Amino acid sequence: DQQVKQNSPSLSVQEGRISILNCDYTNSMFDYFLWYKKYPAEGPTFLISISSIKDKNEDGRFTVFLNKSAKHLSLHIVPSQPGDSAVYFCAASGSGSARQLTFGSGTQLTVLP
Amino acid sequence: DADVTQTPRNRITKTGKRIMLECSQTKGHDRMYWYRQDPGLGLRLIYYSFDVKDINKGEISDGYSVSRQAQAKFSLSLESAIPNQTALYFCATSDPAGVMGTGELFFGEGSRLTVL
Repeated sequence: DQQVKQNSPSLSVQEGRISILNCDYTNSMFDYFLWYKKYPAEGPTFLISISSIKDKNEDGRFTVFLNKSAKHLSLHIVPSQPGDSAVYFCAASGSGSARQLTFGSGTQLTVLP
Repeated sequence: DADVTQTPRNRITKTGKRIMLECSQTKGHDRMYWYRQDPGLGLRLIYYSFDVKDINKGEISDGYSVSRQAQAKFSLSLESAIPNQTALYFCATSDPAGVMGTGELFFGEGSRLTVL
């Protein structure tokens, strides 16, 4: 059973608009959440993270929101740019399992010029 | 040069063959990991190592083994490859001194393995 779920395999957005990528988790022990971005033929790279003591973290065009009661987080990209086209993975860790990251299945974002 | 280097980048092999994927890093991190990526399943942890003397099984270790030859080197072996091990394999490193003790992962570029 997947503990971290990204229910949208793909998302297309017009350049300049907002991209919203969603992630749900089931393990209430998760207390740290990360987003990774992956371009074709490259490894994933860290994008932004949030601790469970916060409900929002912002870094430039990227903002992650955490709703602990709903076990839901989202990544907002504003404004979206064609270079943001990539696969985005949500990941989570908790105090158990030596803090290993559990990844979602990824969402392919395509930003249309 | 990449901080985390994987070799080979691509390999096609036959069922039953032994295959080794190698990973080396110049980041000076103690922690190293092997993940596999499958369509629709994301990244799943195979093995991880917190230092040269520490090896741990991950979520999907069956059919795999690892060797931590040095702080900078971590190899993944498939003793007898089977077709469902066809996947994209990633090595990663981390520094435990990150926020919450969960250092972000730094990934290599991946090794695409096809088992016929």
